[in-house]
Amino acid sequence: QQPVQSPQAVILREGEDAVINCSSSKALYSVHWYRQKHGEAPVFLMILLKGGEQKGHEKISASFNEKKQQSSLYLTASQLSYSGTYFCGTPFSNAGNMLTFGGGTRLMVKP
Amino acid sequence: EAGVVQSPRYKIIEKKQPVAFWCNPISGHNTLYWYRQNLGQGPELLIRYENEEAVDDSQLPKDRFSAERLKGVDSTLKIQPAELGDSAVYLCASSRGQTVPELFFGEGSRLTVL
Repeated sequence: QQPVQSPQAVILREGEDAVINCSSSKALYSVHWYRQKHGEAPVFLMILLKGGEQKGHEKISASFNEKKQQSSLYLTASQLSYSGTYFCGTPFSNAGNMLTFGGGTRLMVKP
Repeated sequence: EAGVVQSPRYKIIEKKQPVAFWCNPISGHNTLYWYRQNLGQGPELLIRYENEEAVDDSQLPKDRFSAERLKGVDSTLKIQPAELGDSAVYLCASSRGQTVPELFFGEGSRLTVL
């Protein structure tokens, strides 16, 4: 079952903050976050694991609420380079990287 | 390190014609995925390979779609015959293994069926 993302789109000014949510109807063991710029390949941002362990590459934070079956991505003091579409993905099985992705959240950061 | 390479980048065909997409994953990546991404939506899984074996093809519409990964390296996804609804971007992704979090995606092959 596909996770549900909200909001569908966000427009920000540089320096403003944003939160993107990802919810699932099934129990979550991990949530994966990707960003895709227009016409480009999706790029891995981070993974949130059950138990709170977080692995990522960029200075963007996230949380994982197992009870609510939800993850949130926090973009603080947004930069122009943050613009793109953010996707969360959840594994088909309990673990692994075979993912079903949400519909995406379009983020536009303006000067 | 070279990334995932896909070709062609763009393909326009008439309905009922066949089409094929090629993917060369990152060297040493045993796991390979094909995803389909419709406009404005998230990627949808089609098939997963572990080396040359298709270990999960439950999402692949087998009446017209086929895939292969000879020798466990390059992969080809074929559609025959194509339908209007097949217009989408076909993404290939690879990883070191199914338990490694990070997927590396190619830029995709954009298919337009007229």
